[in-house]
Amino acid sequence: AQSVSQHNHHVILSEAASLELGCNYSYGGTVNLFWYVQYPGQHLQLLLKYFSGDPLVKGIKGFEAEFIKSKFSFNLRKPSVQWSDTAEYFCAVIFYNQGGKLIFGQGTELSVKP
Amino acid sequence: NAGVTQTPKFQVLKTGQSMTLQCAQDMNHNSMYWYRQDPGMGLRLIYYSASEGTTDKGEVPNGYNVSRLNKREFSLRLESAAPSQTSVYFCASSERGRGTGELFFGEGSRLTVL
Repeated sequence: AQSVSQHNHHVILSEAASLELGCNYSYGGTVNLFWYVQYPGQHLQLLLKYFSGDPLVKGIKGFEAEFIKSKFSFNLRKPSVQWSDTAEYFCAVIFYNQGGKLIFGQGTELSVKP
Repeated sequence: NAGVTQTPKFQVLKTGQSMTLQCAQDMNHNSMYWYRQDPGMGLRLIYYSASEGTTDKGEVPNGYNVSRLNKREFSLRLESAAPSQTSVYFCASSERGRGTGELFFGEGSRLTVL
């Protein structure tokens, strides 16, 4: 079965540090890729998405992600994190060979120290 | 514009009791979803509805039933609650068909089964 893996379960950074959260998926066919963010006590909201075109995708709040097809990866990056980025981050992938099912990774909790 | 509204936000049940989680969206979306979120496991799809009158099983449908009452509403029912169903439940909707568009999430319903 297709799967999505986020290897970092909990990341702790100081403000202004750079961030990279890993996301890998198990399938080499056609996929769409998403990063969602869940701030404490809130619902999930879309951070950015990749469907096609330029593999470097820019999202809200200074986040970006790069799709590397050969590595089945879609890592999330931010050059300089802020305390307000403290949240849980979920990578999600649509696998078209499974009827377009959206599968989420386990999530990465990011804590940013002021 | 409320987006996706879920009720109740919190519920405590005893094993064997039944309950229904309600979800409504006001964005005129065709597709609606129910996910459960458990620590370290990300979000797992319980059921999906592509349109009024249609439903489809997701990754973890056992112990649940759903009803797509109309285009706006998609309810999730636990007929005989079990402690393993203690979780946070999220309803979501999307404009396009399964797996092709951004999901909009409700604020979640935290269910505890004793």
